[in-house]
This record gives sequence, C-alpha cells and structure tokens, in this order.
Amino acid sequence: QVQLVESGGGLVQPGRSLRLSCATSGFTFSPYPMHWVRQAPGKGLEWVAVISYNGTSKFYQDSVRGRFSISRDNSQKILYLQMNSLRPEDTAVYFCARGRRDGYSRYYGLDVWGQGTTVTVSS
Amino acid sequence: DIVMTQSPDSLAVSLGERATINCKSSQSVLYNSNNKNYLAWYQQKPGQPPKLLIYWASTREYGVPDRFSGSGSGTDFTLTISSLQAEDVAVYYCQQFYSSPFTFGPGTKVQIK
Repeated sequence: QVQLVESGGGLVQPGRSLRLSCATSGFTFSPYPMHWVRQAPGKGLEWVAVISYNGTSKFYQDSVRGRFSISRDNSQKILYLQMNSLRPEDTAVYFCARGRRDGYSRYYGLDVWGQGTTVTVSS
Repeated sequence: DIVMTQSPDSLAVSLGERATINCKSSQSVLYNSNNKNYLAWYQQKPGQPPKLLIYWASTREYGVPDRFSGSGSGTDFTLTISSLQAEDVAVYYCQQFYSSPFTFGPGTKVQIK
C-alpha cells in the first residue's frame, strides 16, 4: 500500500541542525511533487515547503526560507528536509505529504500523508 | 501571502444534522485559464495526519462519503457535512494552492451536540 514514513526528528538545541527523511513505498515516487507540512503542539497546520517531481523547483514558507532546504532522491524514493539554525518556534510534528499537480502545472492537493516525526527545539 | 480564515472556530451539531464550515481567502484563488478554484479541504482526527476530502473547491476525493461537499468560488468557500456522523468529529482545514506559500486556514473543530 502507499506509505510515507518520516524519521529524523528529536530534541535539538536552538541554532543547531537536523535532517528529516521521508521514505516512500507503494507508488512510483518520481512523478509526484512532495511537500512538508508541520503542526506545532495543539496548533493548526502550517505548510512548509514543496519540491517538484524532478527537484528543479522548490518553494518555501516565509519563516523557513534560507534556513530549511527541501530535496529528494528519486532513485531511493526519499524526501528530505534539511533544517538549519533551528528556533524554538520550529517545534512541531513534521509531516511529509504527496502532492498533486494538474495539466496546468499547478498544485492542487495533498493526497497521502505520513504519520509525522516530532522536532523539539529547546535548550 | 494569501491569508486564509475560517468560521466558526468550532461548532457542535446533532447527529444527522447539517454542519457548515466557511473558509475565506484574502485574494481570489480562481485560476481563470481553467476556471478552477485552487482550494482544498482536509479532515484531521486526533493523533492522525490530515486526510484530503475535497480539491478544486468542490471535487470530492475518491472514497470520501458523499455527505461531504464543497462549494464556493473566488474568495468564499463552504464545506458542508449534510448529515453528521459520529466519525466526522474532527478538525477541518482549508488550504489554498493558488500561490506559494500554500497557506492553511486555522481550522474548525466539529463536535457532536
């Protein structure tokens, strides 16, 4: 079955780095755009970043641009999120999600989600 | 950035009754070239990731019960649950895909009265 499994979360001090991974299975990874979405404890969803199917196009939430970097390895079917200069406000559950893109090259939904990995930024 | 708002913050509806959630975007999410609204709805139950319910404002995702429907265009959208079931207790989010960052609404919590 289609599955996304995040890993790499944990407790990290402010200013340090962490790399999240999202291992995928059960579908052909390469044609799909992939997203990261986060959810702070007790809060709503916040979209973080998207990467195009071939990795050439990337977009970010304003608050993480310049600190986070999204990437993918289509041969290994893995999505990554490199998070640098972490701040306490980055504390959240991070979900990877499979995206959809239509014939107008526009994204339009997140149809498969992982269970999330928890990142806690604290001294 | 496009700001998404939702109303109400929460609502309690009796089983079998209608639940209506509103979502408003700070600018139009209608793409004129294909006349589609780039607005999606999700359901999130406690301890679970979100689940896609509706995309293009009114297209129901495969497998989603037909008691869920989406409507609206431009800047104003509605998610309707026609006959609330116990398993529909959740938080519902809208999300725009018109332009990056693809912002979510703050969520609406639906409970049983």
